Amino acid sequence: NAGVTQTPKFQVLKTGQSMTLQCAQDMNHNSMYWYRQDPGMGLRLIYYSASEGTTDKGEVPNGYNVSRLNKREFSLRLESAAPSQTSVYFCASRIGGGNYNEQFFGPGTRLTVL
Amino acid sequence: AQSVTQLDSQVPVFEEAPVELRCNYSSSVSVYLFWYVQYPNQGLQLLLKYLSGSTLVKGINGFEAEFNKSQTSFHLRKPSVHISDTAEYFCAVSDTGNTGKLIFGQGTTLQVKP
Repeated sequence: NAGVTQTPKFQVLKTGQSMTLQCAQDMNHNSMYWYRQDPGMGLRLIYYSASEGTTDKGEVPNGYNVSRLNKREFSLRLESAAPSQTSVYFCASRIGGGNYNEQFFGPGTRLTVL
Repeated sequence: AQSVTQLDSQVPVFEEAPVELRCNYSSSVSVYLFWYVQYPNQGLQLLLKYLSGSTLVKGINGFEAEFNKSQTSFHLRKPSVHISDTAEYFCAVSDTGNTGKLIFGQGTTLQVKP
């Protein structure tokens, strides 16, 4: 199993450009998450999808959109990138449901917006 | 709403010395507590978790943490660190509902010196 995979690994954008970050998991998990990591701020939740067909906002959703394409894939879109969106983006997944189960994280996408 | 505060941004320590990384949380509801580790240029890996029961929890790589409800703390400890423990450590909290959303602290960089 590859676990959680993210593409691309690195990306440089100019202000105003758009792009989509891709995330896929092969663990048959129901729930998926997008976080951003900034120095001194830890990780903050952008959006999550508790199950296929649903998406909800997290702590910092402004400037982002998401699509839960199917059970495996959860993409994050920046419509008009801004320098404040320079960050490392992590996707995570978990089995889901009411009982605790662990989130598994992807390797991250490092995004720079000039 | 929950919040997490990691009291030290950097902790330098010599190899084979003990270490404690401090974490305090705030929540009006019952929570689960976690410590994650991030090695350079990698994703996050779960070190240990507190769900319920015994307040002393043991994790991987010789780490342990103690849940103190009255102090709202969840400090991470290791009796003897190795160079390979050099990494960033994140404390996180989630409510006990079914969303699985994590709220992270700011992170503590553990620097183990020879």
